[in-house]
Amino acid sequence: DTAVSQTPKYLVTQMGNDKSIKCEQNLGHDTMYWYKQDSKKFLKIMFSYNNKELIINETVPNRFSPKSPDKAHLNLHINSLELGDSAVYFCASSRRLAGSTDTQYFGPGTRLTVL
Amino acid sequence: GESVGLHLPTLSVQEGDNSIINCAYSNSASDYFIWYKQESGKGPQFIIDIRSNMDKRQGQRVTVLLNKTVKHLSLQIAATQPGDSAVYFCAEIEARGYSTLTFGKGTMLLVSP
Repeated sequence: DTAVSQTPKYLVTQMGNDKSIKCEQNLGHDTMYWYKQDSKKFLKIMFSYNNKELIINETVPNRFSPKSPDKAHLNLHINSLELGDSAVYFCASSRRLAGSTDTQYFGPGTRLTVL
Repeated sequence: GESVGLHLPTLSVQEGDNSIINCAYSNSASDYFIWYKQESGKGPQFIIDIRSNMDKRQGQRVTVLLNKTVKHLSLQIAATQPGDSAVYFCAEIEARGYSTLTFGKGTMLLVSP
């Protein structure tokens, strides 16, 4: 039973395209996140959603638009992809709001390569 | 020994040795700290945590030490096994409001049989 799942695992696309990454958690958590991990393994928060509402947006370009249809899903849509968007994107969830001490559970990641 | 590679600091140890991974954190207001393990091709996985009112916490084969005076965190792994090979991250957070988890740079642990 996968707690936090993401699709696709790999995504290769051309510059300028629009793509989406999907995330689902079956833990019953209220809070979900998107993180970006660059080629040097540096991991940085992008967004946080609590009960389908955007809580945190860490100065991410507005080409990135998260959407939460329900609290078990947080999808990431990226418009006009750029070379610098190439990275591994991780979805995570926690029981309560960011800023609590609840453990964040991470998905397996989506490796995005922009050519 | 410990060395700084092109991308990540790397710690190479022999199976059965004890490993110590260090982390300097940046925010003196952080009051909750976590160590995550990331295996190749996978997401980070929680290992152990510690609150700022403690200076030591032990788990199974792992111990986390916190020195708030110098803003330093360490992860000790006893009897390191090949399955411990991974990238290890420390993370910090102010446990209030809408604060976010801030990850450290990461250290790659390589365990030789």
